[in-house]
Amino acid sequence: GQQVMQIPQYQHVQEGEDFTTYCNSSTTLSNIQWYKQRPGGHPVFLIQLVKSGEVKKQKRLTFQFGEAKKNSSLHITATQTTDVGTYFCAGGTGTASKLTFGTGTRLQVTL
Amino acid sequence: KAGVTQTPRYLIKTRGQQVTLSCSPISGHRSVSWYQQTPGQGLQFLFEYFSETQRNKGNFPGRFSGRQFSNSRSEMNVSTLELGDSALYLCASSLDRGFTEAFFGQGTRLTVV
Repeated sequence: GQQVMQIPQYQHVQEGEDFTTYCNSSTTLSNIQWYKQRPGGHPVFLIQLVKSGEVKKQKRLTFQFGEAKKNSSLHITATQTTDVGTYFCAGGTGTASKLTFGTGTRLQVTL
Repeated sequence: KAGVTQTPRYLIKTRGQQVTLSCSPISGHRSVSWYQQTPGQGLQFLFEYFSETQRNKGNFPGRFSGRQFSNSRSEMNVSTLELGDSALYLCASSLDRGFTEAFFGQGTRLTVV
C-alpha cells in the first residue's frame, strides 16, 4: 500500500535557526496537506498543495510540492519556541478525504 | 462556530469488551473521517463517511466499524477489544469530499487493560 515517509524523525534547534522536514511518498499524489500537532493536542491543518511544483508561503513557513508530486517539504525560517510540535504531511490520492499521513517530524526549539 | 467534538475524551476498557466513540462534526460539514494514532504506527486512516455511507476504509480488521447519521454525526465501534487497540482515536470533519482541509477533534484516548 501507499507509504509516506518523513525525515528527519526528530530535530532539535536553537531559536532563530531554520528547520526543514521532507516528505516522500511511494506513489504519485493528487494533493498533499501539512498538519501541526502540539504535544498533547490534535493535528491542525496548515496548508494544502495541489499543483506540481507548487510553492506556498505562510509568514515564516514555506511549503513545496515536488514536480513529480511524490515529495514535499516544509521549511521554517528563524524558528520560534511556538513552532514546537510534530509536523505531519498527509498525501491524498483520488479523493483527498482518505489521507495517508507521514511518519511525522518532531521539532524541539530551545532558547 | 463550534469545532469538532469527540466524546468521551478518555476511556478505559477491558480486553474483550466493546466500545463506541462519538464524533460531532463542525456544523455544515458532511464528511467525517476517523484515524487511529499510536506512537508505533503513527496516524492511520480507519474510514470515511459521507452522506451516511462509508466511502473509504483503511486496513483495519472487521472489529472496527462505524456509521454516520443524517445530521452527519458519526460513531465508531470497536468490538472484542485487544491491548493493541489502545490509542488516540481522532475524528476529522470536512466540508465536503475532495480536496478540502480536515478539522480534527481533540480525540478519544482509549486504554485497553
